[in-house]
Amino acid sequence: NAGVMQNPRHLVRRRGQEARLRCSPVKGHSHVYWYRQLPEEGLKFMVYLQKENIIDESGMPKERFSAEFPKEGPSILRIQQVVRGDSAAYFCASSLRDSDQPQHFGDGTRLSIL
Amino acid sequence: AQSVAQPEDQVNVAEGNPLTVKCTYSVSGNPYLFWYVQYPNRGLQFLLKYITGDNLVKGSYGFEAEFNKSQTSFHLKKPSALVSDSALYFCAVSYPSGGYNKLIFGAGTRLAVHP
Repeated sequence: NAGVMQNPRHLVRRRGQEARLRCSPVKGHSHVYWYRQLPEEGLKFMVYLQKENIIDESGMPKERFSAEFPKEGPSILRIQQVVRGDSAAYFCASSLRDSDQPQHFGDGTRLSIL
Repeated sequence: AQSVAQPEDQVNVAEGNPLTVKCTYSVSGNPYLFWYVQYPNRGLQFLLKYITGDNLVKGSYGFEAEFNKSQTSFHLKKPSALVSDSALYFCAVSYPSGGYNKLIFGAGTRLAVHP
């Protein structure tokens, strides 16, 4: 069974460009989470989505960041007009519906801003 | 505010010796507790969880963790460490509501097992 698939694994952007990060959850998982990991830090929650719905975006910066999980296709985390401070590893996780199920993490996208 | 503390940045242990990685939390109510491990340039791998029931939970790769409600701790343990256990370990808690888990992570503890 395929796990959570994230692409690209590495992404380099110049300041002001857009970054699009993709996440395909484990087959059958309807819950998708995005987390950000800054160097030498733990993961910080960004957003939680179900198909076609953003449920909790309390960890998302108010500007430039958006996320979606369409009916068909992967979940997308989009960062517009990137800045140096956006450099981080972005992880996607998915889980079954029940809240006591562990989240399965992808290998992350490492975003570097030049 | 909900938070998770991993007081040790790094834990060093000799192969074959027991290991403990500490975690304390400050979350009201009855949180769910998790341990994850991260290898270089990889995502997090689930080790074990505590939801309810026995305070000692067993997980993957011989790891176990003890939930102590009075001390709000959830320390990770293994009776005999392996060099291959060297990695970054994260404790996480959640206070599920609405049917989902928003994980709050500690800063991580780097475990180094020496031959």
